[in-house]
Amino acid sequence: QVQLVESGGGLVKPGGSLRLSCAVSGFSFSDYYMNWIRQAPGKGLEWVSYISSSGRTIYYAASVKGRFTISRDNAKNSLYLQMNTLRAEDTAVYYCASSYGDEIFASWGQGTLVTVSS
Amino acid sequence: QSVLTQPPSASGTPGQRVSISCSGSSSNIGSNDVYWYQQLPGTAPKLLIYRNNQRPSGVPDRFSGSKSGTSASLAISGLRSEDEADYYCAGWDDSLSGYVFGTGTKVTVL
Repeated sequence: QVQLVESGGGLVKPGGSLRLSCAVSGFSFSDYYMNWIRQAPGKGLEWVSYISSSGRTIYYAASVKGRFTISRDNAKNSLYLQMNTLRAEDTAVYYCASSYGDEIFASWGQGTLVTVSS
Repeated sequence: QSVLTQPPSASGTPGQRVSISCSGSSSNIGSNDVYWYQQLPGTAPKLLIYRNNQRPSGVPDRFSGSKSGTSASLAISGLRSEDEADYYCAGWDDSLSGYVFGTGTKVTVL
């Protein structure tokens, strides 16, 4: 069955960096476009970034543009999010979510917690 | 800051019908499809409605979506205790060149 598993979260100091990964199984990863979505503790959902199936088209939320980089490796069925210059307000659970055709964010991982604190 | 506005809460008794609104603008709901997600406590969100009113396989027909102009709504009929969750609308915003989520609505079954 479809499975998305995030990893790489943890505690990092302000200004630090972290790389999140999302391992995918159960579907043809290279046919799907992918997103990162985050949720601060006790808050709502915030879309972070999108990458097309080929990786050629990428979008970012204004709040992370210039600091975060999304990428994918279709040979490894994996999605990544490189997060630099982290701020306290980046503290959240980060979810990877797959989209196919009209079904946007159809499948989600369980999330990985990123805490930015000194 | 969310650009799609939802009421913070909604409630009903078992069997009742509950409706949740999602208000946007011409750059998002007014020109693009709306999606709805259910987030049960402590879990990842789940796609409930896509393309304004379509249900993915496995989603009960108690859930229905509609869109008119720059607003959309999600209706839950025959409310059940397991429907107690947070619900979010979402869609693409042409001005922002990105997806936007609603502020979220907590549904309580009384």
